Amino acid sequence: AQSVAQPEDQVNVAEGNPLTVKCTYSVSGNPYLFWYVQYPNRGLQFLLKYITGDNLVKGSYGFEAEFNKSQTSFHLKKPSALVSDSALYFCAVRDRRSSSASKIIFGSGTRLSIRP
Amino acid sequence: SQTIHQWPATLVQPVGSPLSLECTVEGTSNPNLYWYRQAAGRGLQLLFYSVGIGQISSEVPQNLSASRPQDRQFILSSKKLLLSDSGFYLCAWSVENEQYFGPGTRLTVT
Repeated sequence: AQSVAQPEDQVNVAEGNPLTVKCTYSVSGNPYLFWYVQYPNRGLQFLLKYITGDNLVKGSYGFEAEFNKSQTSFHLKKPSALVSDSALYFCAVRDRRSSSASKIIFGSGTRLSIRP
Repeated sequence: SQTIHQWPATLVQPVGSPLSLECTVEGTSNPNLYWYRQAAGRGLQLLFYSVGIGQISSEVPQNLSASRPQDRQFILSSKKLLLSDSGFYLCAWSVENEQYFGPGTRLTVT
């Protein structure tokens, strides 16, 4: 069975500092991994994905994530946080062996708060 | 480019009243479609997904139903709303490996 865990309900970072939002996953095969961001009262926006290839994936708004197979992690990072990065972030996983119609499993979300 | 629409954006309904939320997708054919509910601004609960017209899979037993009368139209319904149906409802579509979300409908059942 697939699962994804975001161990931190909230992450607080000062503007200009680096940020990390953690994600670990469990799938029986090799994963497709995703990060989404949600601003208040809005739908989820796609940030980035890992399919294959380079373990470091670059996405929108200066975010990147590193796929670590041995630690089954896909942490989201940004070198210098902006106040506008404050939002709810979701990690998601899908087993690449399953059909395209199968579900993407979402984590419980981490609220990122960037203080000026 | 593909876009996804949901309406209404917000809805306040009394307990026991019916519900119909609509989702339409433009710019793609035969998408997989999904309904999620998000409670209290946190995790997503998958309610239904559809791989084609008239094909609906339900993930959890509940007071809601879904229909897909056309290729790019996905409808979430209820005959009688419960207080526990309040939440933020998100429609999504996918092709291959990614899902894209609509703007959501905030439902408050009073």
